[in-house]
Amino acid sequence: QSALSQPPSVSGSPGQTVTISCTGTSSDIGSSHSVSWYQQPPGTVPKLMLYEFSIRPSGVPDRFSGSKSGNTASLTISGLQAEDEADYYCSSHTTSGTYVFGTGTKVTVL
Amino acid sequence: EVQLVESGGGLVQPGGFLKLSCAGSGFAFAGYWIHWVRQAPGQGLVWMSQVSPDGHTATYADSVRGRITVSRDTAKNTVSLEVNSLSAEDSAVYYCARGYQWGWDYWGQGILVTVSS
Repeated sequence: QSALSQPPSVSGSPGQTVTISCTGTSSDIGSSHSVSWYQQPPGTVPKLMLYEFSIRPSGVPDRFSGSKSGNTASLTISGLQAEDEADYYCSSHTTSGTYVFGTGTKVTVL
Repeated sequence: EVQLVESGGGLVQPGGFLKLSCAGSGFAFAGYWIHWVRQAPGQGLVWMSQVSPDGHTATYADSVRGRITVSRDTAKNTVSLEVNSLSAEDSAVYYCARGYQWGWDYWGQGILVTVSS
């Protein structure tokens, strides 16, 4: 199972909108019940930001949103803030009953 | 408060064996799938395995299948991960995490494993 493909980095100024793509295949994202997204600032534990493509757990700001189209899922951060600077990972369940993470994207707030 | 705490890491010899434990508290541990995820230094997250609430079903990533075993002690609210034939590529922070809606909502703090002679 190959890792899902994410851009290595994205950046934006405070207040701007950035979108991170997560591309897989018909064996994972394309047929998955859910793609989830995780935020990991340096030296910290991953934090669940979205599940089932677009549902925010309690406490996650509504600036974070998600979507899916075909074999690609996306995470959008609107109104970018300095505290959003972190690595972000997507993950999908697969048709073989396993899970796969994305390659990770570093978000930089300029 | 939901807590997952890993133990058993440290320095291990190449070719050796490793056993990690994950202890859960503050929630109905017996009702959740528990997963293992690892992250090599400076690298991304890699899913390794999951074990069912009753401990009867375990699933493994292709990359580690045959080298790892996950088990569960429902009486002690713990999950164990055993890894054999260790190499430098197994050096990583190992996390246990609680399964939630095809993802993970609570993670342990992680435990560092270094494979080196």
